Amino acid sequence: EVQLVESGGGLVQPGGSLRLSCAASGFTFSSYEMNWVRQSPGKGLEWLSYISSGGGTIYYADSVKGRFTISRDNAESSLSLQMNSLRADDTGVYFCARGWRWLDPWGQGTLVTVSS
Amino acid sequence: EIVMTQSPATLSVFSGERVTLSCRASQSISSNLAWYQQKPGQAPRLLIYGASTRATGIPVRFSGSGSGTEFTLAISSLQSEDFAIYYCHQYSNWPRTFGQGTKVEIK
Repeated sequence: EVQLVESGGGLVQPGGSLRLSCAASGFTFSSYEMNWVRQSPGKGLEWLSYISSGGGTIYYADSVKGRFTISRDNAESSLSLQMNSLRADDTGVYFCARGWRWLDPWGQGTLVTVSS
Repeated sequence: EIVMTQSPATLSVFSGERVTLSCRASQSISSNLAWYQQKPGQAPRLLIYGASTRATGIPVRFSGSGSGTEFTLAISSLQSEDFAIYYCHQYSNWPRTFGQGTKVEIK
């Protein structure tokens, strides 16, 4: 079964840092592009970042560019999102999702709360 | 950035009814459009890609159409498990963008 499991969320103060992880199983992780997508409380979906299968191509949304860094470890079938200089409006559920066109599947998400 | 606009924001319908949801792109995206279903507390689930191709395991009552800037998701006979929020998503350009969602609720 193809599965993505996020971890690393939690409560962090404004200006702080957090590192999210996404563990992949059930497919050849190194062959697939990956993404991070955020859903703020009561809001819709916001694409944040993309990384190619080999890690050589990366894109970010303007809202996180310069603050967030996406990376992957194909040997460990793992995707990461390093989040620095966190702000209150970064609060939300963070999903990892597979694909460079449509996104399928998605993980269950991990909640990040930025508050003092 | 391509802006995706969904309408209506909320749709109140009876089980068994046919529903149509709309999604408009601010510029042409050809057929580079996907639809997702999201239920409370769950991750989005892929329904349609390429504007009209059903994803694996998606019932035939779900259908997608359109190209360019105008797209539609239709559910032929609404079942109880279909009450959810539906999002469109363009993957023509970076940054990828989503519509704000249409909530389908029980009337």
